[in-house]
Amino acid sequence: DAGVIQSPRHEVTEMGQEVTLRCKPISGHDYLFWYRQTMMRGLELLIYFNNNVPIDDSGMPEDRFSAKMPNASFSTLKIQPSEPRDSAVYFCASSYGQVEAFFGQGTRLTVV
Amino acid sequence: GENVEQHPSTLSVQEGDSAVIKCTYSDSASNYFPWYKQELGKGPQLIIDIRSNVGEKKDQRIAVTLNKTAKHFSLHITETQPEDSAVYFCAASLSGGYQKVTFGIGTKLQVIP
Repeated sequence: DAGVIQSPRHEVTEMGQEVTLRCKPISGHDYLFWYRQTMMRGLELLIYFNNNVPIDDSGMPEDRFSAKMPNASFSTLKIQPSEPRDSAVYFCASSYGQVEAFFGQGTRLTVV
Repeated sequence: GENVEQHPSTLSVQEGDSAVIKCTYSDSASNYFPWYKQELGKGPQLIIDIRSNVGEKKDQRIAVTLNKTAKHFSLHITETQPEDSAVYFCAASLSGGYQKVTFGIGTKLQVIP
């Protein structure tokens, strides 16, 4: 398996634009997590899914953020409208049950 | 909620020396403690983990200790090598997995050849 695949690797967008980040989890994994990493706050869990169902979105900072998982092999994190303070590295991770979470390489988002 | 504090934020050691990173957690109900290594431009990767029913775990040059009473856990890397240079994150979980995990702020380890 190629691991967790995220796209794009880098995204630069203007304030107010919609941004969509994509993730393909490892096949067979039943949990999918979205994290945000910043220098000030470190790694923060935004939302996680179990068997494609959102379970806990309490980490999503605002209503501008939304996430979907239409099937077991694809998830999106959308920010609309984007703001400069959303600039961060966003990671997707997947796991099978309660064992190791595998992280993707991340998407570096810059909102100017 | 859970709060995880990690020290030091940066650490420089000579190749061959040992490195120790310490973390404390606030919620005594936390029961799973993974450690992740993040190399530049990559996602975090699990290097070792420990559950609350164990006090120590070792994997080659890496060991983790857990003191539940004091709510402390530590990562020990012996015989450090330049490829150990990375950012290391500790984490504590209330769920036994990644559903309720809180990460520390990270420690940037530099191993000087």
